[in-house]
Amino acid sequence: AQSVAQPEDQVNVAEGNPLTVKCTYSVSGNPYLFWYVQYPNRGLQFLLKYITGDNLVKGSYGFEAEFNKSQTSFHLKKPSALVSDSALYFCAVRDIRADTGRRALTFGSGTRLQVQP
Amino acid sequence: DGGITQSPKYLFRKEGQNVTLSCEQNLNHDAMYWYRQDPGQGLRLIYYSQIVNDFQKGDIAEGYSVSREKKESFPLTVTSAQKNPTAFYLCASSIAGARQETQYFGPGTRLLVL
Repeated sequence: AQSVAQPEDQVNVAEGNPLTVKCTYSVSGNPYLFWYVQYPNRGLQFLLKYITGDNLVKGSYGFEAEFNKSQTSFHLKKPSALVSDSALYFCAVRDIRADTGRRALTFGSGTRLQVQP
Repeated sequence: DGGITQSPKYLFRKEGQNVTLSCEQNLNHDAMYWYRQDPGQGLRLIYYSQIVNDFQKGDIAEGYSVSREKKESFPLTVTSAQKNPTAFYLCASSIAGARQETQYFGPGTRLLVL
């Protein structure tokens, strides 16, 4: 079984400050990890993913995420937050050993990011 | 939201009524998925399809049905057996078989019960 935990329902940060949105995962094998962002009443937009290789993954809109295997974490980061980054962020995981008939992602419960001007 | 369209944007269901949510993609993706989103619960998988004429139940399939007669279309029917259908429904697609396949999402349909 695979699972994802996003321990913070909401993260508040001032514009211009660095931001971190936390994610931890559990899989029986090695993971594929994803971050998505959702604006109000919209679908999810893909931000970035970790498959293999470099533990620091760079994605869209200046976001990056760091894969830490020993801590089973994949935290989302941005050096300088913008008010327009305010949205709902989802972490998702898929076990790379998932059989071909079960490729769906398992999502965390989401973290609301609020960036204050 | 890429090449995935969902309609309608809002849908109202009366008691005992079946309703169908549309999902179409022009990305030439083999795999398609339906998720349900409730506040504070993230996304939960309803059904998925890896190929035309084949689909599998997800984690919360009860009260829902799907069909996959065409590669580009994966409609979801919410039946009267689904007692709590009010939610935001998201359709996604991906290239099946790709090792690091990314799922891309449509804009969603919000279903409300009258």
